[in-house]
Amino acid sequence: EPEVTQTPSHQVTQMGQEVILRCVPISNHLYFYWYRQILGQKVEFLVSFYNNEISEKSEIFDDQFSVERPDGSNFTLKIRSTKLEDSAMYFCASSYSGTVTYEQYFGPGTRLTVT
Amino acid sequence: KNQVEQSPQSLIILEGKNCTLQCNYTVSPFSNLRWYKQDTGRGPVSLTIMTFSENTKSNGRYTATLDADTKQSSLHITASQLSDSASYICVVSASLIDYKLSFGAGTTVTVRA
Repeated sequence: EPEVTQTPSHQVTQMGQEVILRCVPISNHLYFYWYRQILGQKVEFLVSFYNNEISEKSEIFDDQFSVERPDGSNFTLKIRSTKLEDSAMYFCASSYSGTVTYEQYFGPGTRLTVT
Repeated sequence: KNQVEQSPQSLIILEGKNCTLQCNYTVSPFSNLRWYKQDTGRGPVSLTIMTFSENTKSNGRYTATLDADTKQSSLHITASQLSDSASYICVVSASLIDYKLSFGAGTTVTVRA
């Protein structure tokens, strides 16, 4: 069964450094999402992406964050200058359509630790 | 502000027993409600999706109910198994174009032999 994959599974970085989290969505999916989950807290929506542009973003997704689909298969989340509070599990998700009929499939997550 | 509240925060049940988890929401307008299962350190996996016109949906031993008038949903787990130990998350969408999901904090279920 097709699945969303994410790399790396765990990333440790120093405060102020740039990180890129990578995701490979399910191949025929058209909508892509990033979520984050701070340890012990609820999952939070960051951004959705369709047709090579951001569809919607939350207040968390400030100028330090950017997303890109560089090559038609990967979907990346970049954090330009990491802060301690960026430490969280980051989940990528994809869906065939943006409507309710089509489920969002989540990847296993990347644990980002900022020291 | 859209809110999704779940109860209880956690519960422990014996293998083979049933349990019911609750979800109350204030998301408006309401489009659909989903229940996800999240194993520790893993991404959420969908169990059920219900639109406002549906009041019950089953997926194996999982049965979700929805009362759109009172803005409440429940997830019933029948004949629990050790593999049911996980966090169960209620997720609500306010839009027909499902760009943005509002997540509850989850109920942690521990099934003991």
